[in-house]
Amino acid sequence: AQSVTQLGSHVSVSEGALVLLRCNYSSSVPPYLFWYVQYPNQGLQLLLKYTTGATLVKGINGFEAEFKKSETSFHLTKPSAHMSDAAEYFCAVSSNSGGYQKVTFGIGTKLQVIP
Amino acid sequence: NAGVTQTPKFQVLKTGQSMTLQCAQDMNHNSMYWYRQDPGMGLRLIYYSASEGTTDKGEVPNGYNVSRLNKREFSLRLESAAPSQTSVYFCASSQRNTGELFFGEGSRLTVL
Repeated sequence: AQSVTQLGSHVSVSEGALVLLRCNYSSSVPPYLFWYVQYPNQGLQLLLKYTTGATLVKGINGFEAEFKKSETSFHLTKPSAHMSDAAEYFCAVSSNSGGYQKVTFGIGTKLQVIP
Repeated sequence: NAGVTQTPKFQVLKTGQSMTLQCAQDMNHNSMYWYRQDPGMGLRLIYYSASEGTTDKGEVPNGYNVSRLNKREFSLRLESAAPSQTSVYFCASSQRNTGELFFGEGSRLTVL
């Protein structure tokens, strides 16, 4: 069975400060890993993904995440927070299960950016 | 670029009423999903369809039924709505081998 743990359901940062959202996963097979962002009253949209290859993944809006197999982590970072980054962020793990990709989400982290 | 389209966006039901949420995707994806989102619980999979002609239960299927009408369309039906089904419902689709999901904008359902 696979699972995702997001540490901190709410994170507050000052505008211009580092954003760090934590995600740990468990999976019995090599996983694909994703971060999605959800703005109020909208669906989720892909921020970045790790499938194979380079472990440091760059996404949209200046976000990046590093896949660390030894730590089973996929933390999301951004050097300088912007007010427009305020949203809910979901980490997800995906693995092949009987011919389709089974996707499991974390509970989400709401990011507040303080002016 | 329509992507994944869900209807209706909002619905209020009384306990015991039935309704169907419609979902259509225009990306020629094989797999389609229905999730529900509740505060503090993330997204939970209700049903999925790995390919046209197949459907399977997810994590929280009780009280729901689905139909994969064709490759484009995947509907979710509540036969007898209960207050516990008050939630935001998301339809999503993906190519079979990527795991990357494309979401609709959601359907907010309130059951009184």
